[in-house]
Amino acid sequence: GAVVSQHPSWVICKSGTSVKIECRSLDFQATTMFWYRQFPKQSLMLMATSNEGSKATYEQGVEKDKFLINHASLTLSTLTVTSAHPEDSSFYICSARDPASGLDNEQFFGPGTRLTVL
Amino acid sequence: DAKTTQPPSMDCAEGRAANLPCNHSTISGNEYVYWYRQIHSQGPQYIIHGLKNNETNEMASLIITEDRKSSTLILPHATLRDTAVYYCIVRVAPSGNTPLVFGKGTRLSVIA
Repeated sequence: GAVVSQHPSWVICKSGTSVKIECRSLDFQATTMFWYRQFPKQSLMLMATSNEGSKATYEQGVEKDKFLINHASLTLSTLTVTSAHPEDSSFYICSARDPASGLDNEQFFGPGTRLTVL
Repeated sequence: DAKTTQPPSMDCAEGRAANLPCNHSTISGNEYVYWYRQIHSQGPQYIIHGLKNNETNEMASLIITEDRKSSTLILPHATLRDTAVYYCIVRVAPSGNTPLVFGKGTRLSVIA
């Protein structure tokens, strides 16, 4: 199946700093990628839909000025957590669908990035 | 997308079949049943999906009732590495910009 990677796999930062997380589709082009956040012992929560060449679409309650999404190319989307605070500590996961894989195929997920804000 | 209901947790002995149920009584005719799993601290992994017929692949089998209001994911010979949270998701066939929406899933513990 298609492969989605994320970098870094984990990051620790000080409160008030910004952190960038990269999501790459390694062997396919993705016009759309999705960003999720997962707190301990909870399910994945969709944060935003990242569209190549246009603005991201954010879910209700997600601050677009705090979570900056840039879909720079067909294989790369970045999520920047600006002015991070301890409550932003979470597991961030991206996903993408390979449009060439079939009409009802699965969505592929990255391995996740664990962010810890001190 | 139709709502799904899954038991919060289940145990299974290693080597035995794990049968994970999912209720989706409001499923529409054009909605598929998808199963994903998430091993601790990893991204979700696709397992299987189906519309009406039962499906089988190298990972699991999916049994969908005739009225499509419920389904069961079967891991035929569970191993310790199958310990994970299993998510049942009902949705129409995906287009490029429709995300998966996750419920709470079932936490499966495979016990030696």
